[in-house]
Amino acid sequence: EDKVVQSPLSLVVHEGDTVTLNCSYEVTNFRSLLWYKQEKKAPTFLFMLTSSGIEKKSGRLSSILDKKELFSILNITATQTGDSAVYLCAVGYYSGTYKYIFGTGTRLKVLA
Amino acid sequence: KAGVTQTPRYLIKTRGQQVTLSCSPISGHRSVSWYQQTPGQGLQFLFEYFSETQRNKGNFPGRFSGRQFSNSRSEMNVSTLELGDSALYLCASSLAGALSYEQYFGPGTRLTVT
Repeated sequence: EDKVVQSPLSLVVHEGDTVTLNCSYEVTNFRSLLWYKQEKKAPTFLFMLTSSGIEKKSGRLSSILDKKELFSILNITATQTGDSAVYLCAVGYYSGTYKYIFGTGTRLKVLA
Repeated sequence: KAGVTQTPRYLIKTRGQQVTLSCSPISGHRSVSWYQQTPGQGLQFLFEYFSETQRNKGNFPGRFSGRQFSNSRSEMNVSTLELGDSALYLCASSLAGALSYEQYFGPGTRLTVT
């Protein structure tokens, strides 16, 4: 069964801490892995990863994919209260047609 | 540049009825994908339309259908509504393909089925 598992389910940290969010997957014909941030509204795109070992960075956020071990991590350094959100991981794959599976997300709360 | 817009934002329907939701993508984007988000199941992919054709499809029953117009606007229809269809329905647009380009989500339509 195709699946995406995110861990931890929730996390509470203090401002300035560094956090690492995990996303592991089991799909056939992997195509891409995407990270989104969802606050109270719709998800906003963070990263798309298709190749192993190439780190993508945007400010304090970075992400990397390991296609051999079938996982990705999302790092957030020097966390701020504005980073509080649910972080979603989605995997695109081919099974008859192209599809997406989303993980259930990691709920991050950053305390001042 | 205007973002993705969805109408209506909120909708209440009765079991057995049908509903049509609308999504206008970002100007120039040709791909529109639809998703269902519920507390229990999280975000689930419904289908993707590109150039007026359904290109990709998730694992939803045939009661869920959609279409895309020549201006890339898309509609999603759900027939014979069930209580379990209550959810936030999100659409997302991308330049040329949900799996190859980043997607931008609209604010969603919250559907309540009573």
